[in-house]
Amino acid sequence: QQQVKQSPQSLIVQKGGISIINCAYENTAFDYFPWYQQFPGKGPALLIAIRPDVSEKKEGRFTISFNKSAKQFSLHIMDSQPGDSATYFCAATYGGSQGNLIFGKGTKLSVKP
Amino acid sequence: NAGVMQNPRHLVRRRGQEARLRCSPMKGHSHVYWYRQLPEEGLKFMVYLQKENIIDESGMPKERFSAEFPKEGPSILRIQQVVRGDSAAYFCASSSRANTGELFFGEGSRLTVL
Repeated sequence: QQQVKQSPQSLIVQKGGISIINCAYENTAFDYFPWYQQFPGKGPALLIAIRPDVSEKKEGRFTISFNKSAKQFSLHIMDSQPGDSATYFCAATYGGSQGNLIFGKGTKLSVKP
Repeated sequence: NAGVMQNPRHLVRRRGQEARLRCSPMKGHSHVYWYRQLPEEGLKFMVYLQKENIIDESGMPKERFSAEFPKEGPSILRIQQVVRGDSAAYFCASSSRANTGELFFGEGSRLTVL
């Protein structure tokens, strides 16, 4: 299966809270899992990515947790800020896929001041 | 600005007309990808090109859609005889190497078919 299932569809978090977005996949050939951030009217921008040989990757306030056995990965945004309000897409791909990223349907995050 | 440049940003066409979307990749990038985004949906891969070659067009509709990346000039996504269902945002991305998930996206071209 080539799908990547993302949840929730939308998320409202208070400033300073933790935002958590989850994704699940079926294809065990996937070996690269990026997260993209998209602001209204803009193109997606790579935020953070992980490979399945590690269970967690942290960059600043953004952390990816990866569970290979469950075929799930999640994005955690610590100390969420109003400027983080955007749509977040998880994606998956594998070596040899020729840049064919399989995207989730996105999570619209709104951080309230 | 050395980013991925797309134009036009907005394009309105009537049913049956042709749409041409252009993309100039980031400087130094020779790999170009086109994705389509429908409202409330994620991005769907359409085609992957290198200079003068189509590498993977598995996501491209079989009819009316074509793409090219000539030796000189931008990549072009061409949609002939547009229909209302073609209304979407079309994003171009580029990368410096093959088989990577690290894509750099442009700001998109939003096509509206009346």
